[in-house]
Amino acid sequence: QSVLTQPPSVSGAPGQKVTISCTGSNSNIGAGYDVHWYQQLPGTAPKLLIYGNKYRPSGVPDRFSASKSGTSASLAITGLQAEDEADYYCQSYAGSLSVFGGGTKVTVL
Amino acid sequence: QLQLQESGPGLVKPSETLSLTCVVSGDSISNSDYSWGWIRQPPGRGLEWIGTIYHSGTASYNPSLKSRVTISADTSKNEFSLRLTSVTAADTGVYYCARRGRFLLVVGVPFDLWGQGSLLTVSS
Repeated sequence: QSVLTQPPSVSGAPGQKVTISCTGSNSNIGAGYDVHWYQQLPGTAPKLLIYGNKYRPSGVPDRFSASKSGTSASLAITGLQAEDEADYYCQSYAGSLSVFGGGTKVTVL
Repeated sequence: QLQLQESGPGLVKPSETLSLTCVVSGDSISNSDYSWGWIRQPPGRGLEWIGTIYHSGTASYNPSLKSRVTISADTSKNEFSLRLTSVTAADTGVYYCARRGRFLLVVGVPFDLWGQGSLLTVSS
């Protein structure tokens, strides 16, 4: 059971928008810790996709966006593309302890 | 360019101790801007944070693993290591080492660079 809750899967047709939620509590996200998002393509290591709730590292397309509010955060992928099919994880902190969401599989129909 | 490379035994017997090493190239693990972590992923499942070692040499651990885990660093070899005792089948999975980078104005720093992962199987 992960500390942060994500939907197991979401899907969308190419070009559509999908949104992934990440729900925490007042001991992690709600305590003011930032949320980060990772993309894990099949058979590869996770890659940092979004940091500090909404910032994209260099090289990440702007069709990926994210936000945080209260004890939750969300990741949006607009203009969904076939190469976006992957697992996505949110991560935050509870004090010095790092916590991950259970992951969401994005399927491009 | 900074790279992280995990190395480990691949196969460990139940009740034995697992040791994994992450060799860092392209930067010094003594750099005070960074800390270093281990994350694992059981087959077909999500990511689980194991622990992080800081520049000071202190470490924090996942409470669910704390009694069995030790993370240490060898600055002379520019590597850090994971030791997990009394392993069971539940410890099977891919083990990643990762860097926690330097991000201004971020509360709780992300893991910005990851190794490719090392598959560990616990079986007799």
